[in-house]
Amino acid sequence: LAKTTQPISMDSYEGQEVNITCSHNNIATNDYITWYQQFPSQGPRFIIQGYKTKVTNEVASLFIPADRKSSTLSLPRVSLSDTAVYYCLVGPNDYKLSFGAGTTVTVRA
Amino acid sequence: EPEVTQTPSHQVTQMGQEVILRCVPISNHLYFYWYRQILGQKVEFLVSFYNNEISEKSEIFDDQFSVERPDGSNFTLKIRSTKLEDSAMYFCASMQPGTSGTDTQYFGPGTRLTVL
Repeated sequence: LAKTTQPISMDSYEGQEVNITCSHNNIATNDYITWYQQFPSQGPRFIIQGYKTKVTNEVASLFIPADRKSSTLSLPRVSLSDTAVYYCLVGPNDYKLSFGAGTTVTVRA
Repeated sequence: EPEVTQTPSHQVTQMGQEVILRCVPISNHLYFYWYRQILGQKVEFLVSFYNNEISEKSEIFDDQFSVERPDGSNFTLKIRSTKLEDSAMYFCASMQPGTSGTDTQYFGPGTRLTVL
């Protein structure tokens, strides 16, 4: 599985856009990039998944450059309830998920 | 929206006792997983299950662990003789392969296992 590197923590304020970049230099051709969110004492929750270019849903956008060696999760106009740990995962879809330490995003009023 | 459910939400047991953690995956899903998360640590993969058999397991999933899909809806994780270090949140997940190639695992709320 491709190794991922993402910041340990990020601070933001309500209403701001939060961008979390994940590096995955050894991503394989059949790997997808998936982001999960986890609140304390809850299970990880799927946010978004992409293979290349840009993907957008009602929660976030995912930007993937042509070389696919990194990706950026963008959370528009965050609120206090977006405070959570965000995980970047890279791998084929029928495989186990390998979670790292994630990025702890803290949104302040 | 369909969701994965898990019971119980919290299980307290004595060391050496057997526990069974239960999960009801999303109904049309075909792939099932168990993960665990020790307090303050990463989410760790335990086992994947497809077509009524284990497709992969991690080093953590030793002979003390077993999984079963006893009927068409439940998916269970059994720990035969619990140890103190088995104390963790256990998450069940399920997945239905998509036609577009993008698939996601949906996680349950977890069972907090405390071994005394």
